[in-house]
Amino acid sequence: DAKTTQPPSMDCAEGRAANLPCNHSTISGNEYVYWYRQIHSQGPQYIIHGLKNNETNEMASLIITEDRKSSTLILPHATLRDTAVYYCIVREPTGNQFYFGTGTSLTVIP
Amino acid sequence: DTAVSQTPKYLVTQMGNDKSIKCEQNLGHDTMYWYKQDSKKFLKIMFSYNNKELIINETVPNRFSPKSPDKAHLNLHINSLELGDSAVYFCASSQDRGNIQYFGAGTRLSVL
Repeated sequence: DAKTTQPPSMDCAEGRAANLPCNHSTISGNEYVYWYRQIHSQGPQYIIHGLKNNETNEMASLIITEDRKSSTLILPHATLRDTAVYYCIVREPTGNQFYFGTGTSLTVIP
Repeated sequence: DTAVSQTPKYLVTQMGNDKSIKCEQNLGHDTMYWYKQDSKKFLKIMFSYNNKELIINETVPNRFSPKSPDKAHLNLHINSLELGDSAVYFCASSQDRGNIQYFGAGTRLSVL
């Protein structure tokens, strides 16, 4: 079962930062936080992951709270192509399963 | 070149038929997966293979049988198709068990 809670939907204006929250209050010490997105029934696409430090790559930034019970995915300058369902997943480093929850449906508005 | 490719992209068939979906990855990964996404968009893992050996088999009817002829391929065979099998099936792969998974574009199966 998914161990994360996300808002079902969010809107963001084009060009603004999109901040997607995720609660994972039961996360274990060795579990990573992963973010994926799925654009209109395409295959899920990896975005970023982290353990306890904040992470940044060319797609997004991941901010994890100090107690690791929640995190925020930041898309710094949202475009229309960022409209998708965003999934927050927690996972052990040796675990095979990704438990996808219901995700957040992000709509970027022109 | 597509990293994880699935064929066919669309599959329409009658109840009771047997069908296969093929998956190939050219990433040199050791682990491959099959996921099912139902009409409510829930994405659930079905199987996982590591170096051609089954390591995950979630609660899936035994009408579903994965076959891995080599590390680069994981095919899904479905016997006696039922209406409830209609879904989008995604193949994925990763380098070792704990790493990032890369997904194919999906196969949309419709059982009539």
